[in-house]
Amino acid sequence: GQNIDQPTEMTATEGAIVQINCTYQTSGFNGLFWYQQHAGEAPTFLSYNVLDGLEEKGRFSSFLSRSKGYSYLLLKELQMKDSASYLCAVEGGATNKLIFGTGTLLAVQP
Amino acid sequence: DAGITQSPRHKVTETGTPVTLRCHQTENHRYMYWYRQDPGHGLRLIHYSYGVKDTDKGEVSDGYSVSRSKTEDFLLTLESATSSQTSVYFCAISDPANGGYEQYFGPGTRLTVT
Repeated sequence: GQNIDQPTEMTATEGAIVQINCTYQTSGFNGLFWYQQHAGEAPTFLSYNVLDGLEEKGRFSSFLSRSKGYSYLLLKELQMKDSASYLCAVEGGATNKLIFGTGTLLAVQP
Repeated sequence: DAGITQSPRHKVTETGTPVTLRCHQTENHRYMYWYRQDPGHGLRLIHYSYGVKDTDKGEVSDGYSVSRSKTEDFLLTLESATSSQTSVYFCAISDPANGGYEQYFGPGTRLTVT
């Protein structure tokens, strides 16, 4: 079966660092994506991991371990505007078809 | 931002009526997708297209049909709308043949079936 797990909600403080975890079990694996979605808006692409290791892009980094079926999104120097849902998605085998987790709602507090 | 528009942006319709949602792109991307998003379920793929007139089912395709007669347009039709199809519908595009594996999403259509 196909399963992607993320925490439902997280809270963090402005200026701090937060790590959002994602574990997956899929019938195939071509890559893992992270998306950000503000309330009432469309998801926007953050990162794409194919190989094991850390990909850094400004304040955001994403890590992948294919052997463990595990990824995390690391957000540094948190800002209030980072309050959003963060969606983990796996390309499970069929060309460019994504399986999404239910998302992690991050609340950044002053 | 990728050039993707959806119409209408909001629609209220009655049970049993047909409804068509339109997705239009100006990026000339080959792949197009329709998702629905519901609380507790995340984004779920309804149908997708990998070229003009080439479509396939996703995980929640029952009650939906699609058509793609030209690269830029992908239509989603609810043949006879039901209350369970009340949702937010997102269109997405991608261009994997040119290394663009990430999907870009349109602004969404909020559909309410009464």
